[in-house]
Amino acid sequence: QLVLTQSPSASASLGASVKLTCTLSSGHSSYAIAWHQQQPEKGPRYLMRVNNDGSHRRGDGIPDRFSGSSSGTERYLTISSLQSEDEADYYCQTWVTGIQVFGRGTKLTVL
Amino acid sequence: EVRLVESGGGLVQPGGSLRLSCEDSKFTFRIYWMSWVRQAPGKGLEWVANIKQDGSEKNYVDSVEGRFTISRDNARNSVYLQMNSLRVEDTAVYFCARDSMGVLDSWGQGTLVTVSS
Repeated sequence: QLVLTQSPSASASLGASVKLTCTLSSGHSSYAIAWHQQQPEKGPRYLMRVNNDGSHRRGDGIPDRFSGSSSGTERYLTISSLQSEDEADYYCQTWVTGIQVFGRGTKLTVL
Repeated sequence: EVRLVESGGGLVQPGGSLRLSCEDSKFTFRIYWMSWVRQAPGKGLEWVANIKQDGSEKNYVDSVEGRFTISRDNARNSVYLQMNSLRVEDTAVYFCARDSMGVLDSWGQGTLVTVSS
C-alpha cells in the first residue's frame, strides 16, 4: 500500500534553513512526489515536483529559496532564508493508477 | 496564471445533496485530468475523486464511492461534484485541482460544505 509519512511539526528560526521529509512506503522508492504549501486560512499552493533521482521542478512563481532532493524512499523540501510567511502546513502528494495520496502534513513554525 | 474558482458549498442536512462547481479560466482545461480534494476542519488534505480529460474514466476514494459523482463540461471549462446522501463526516472545505500527469499543480480557493442538522 502506498503511504506517505511526514513528521507532524518542525521549527526553525527566521533567516535559517529547514529540511522537511516525506517518506514513501517500502517498495515505492521510484515514485516522484509533489510538495504543497498551505498558509493559514488559504488554499494549498503547489511548490514543486521531486523525482526519485533528486531532480526537482518548481511551480510558477516559486522562489529558488525552495528546493527539493531525494534519497531512497525519502523526498525532501528545503527552505532557505526562512521568512515569516513560510510558516505554514506542508503536504507531500503522490499518485498511482488514477488515485492521489497525501501525507498528513508538517506544520512549520518560524521562530 | 491558472485560476480555478469553486462554488456551490453551503449548509445541508444529513442525507441531503449538494452540487459543487469549479470553473477554470484557462482554455487548456480540456487537456487535464481534474481532481476534487477536501479538508475537514483542523485536518489534512484528502483526495476525493478525479476525472479524465474526456470524462471516460473516474476514480473515487472508498468513503464517497456510490454517493458522489464527478463530471465535467469541457465547453464550459468546468468540473462538478454531485454529492448525495451527505454525512456529517463529509463536512469540509472542498478544493478542485488541476492534475498534470499526477501532480496537482494548481488549486482553487475552496468552498465550504457543512453537513449538520
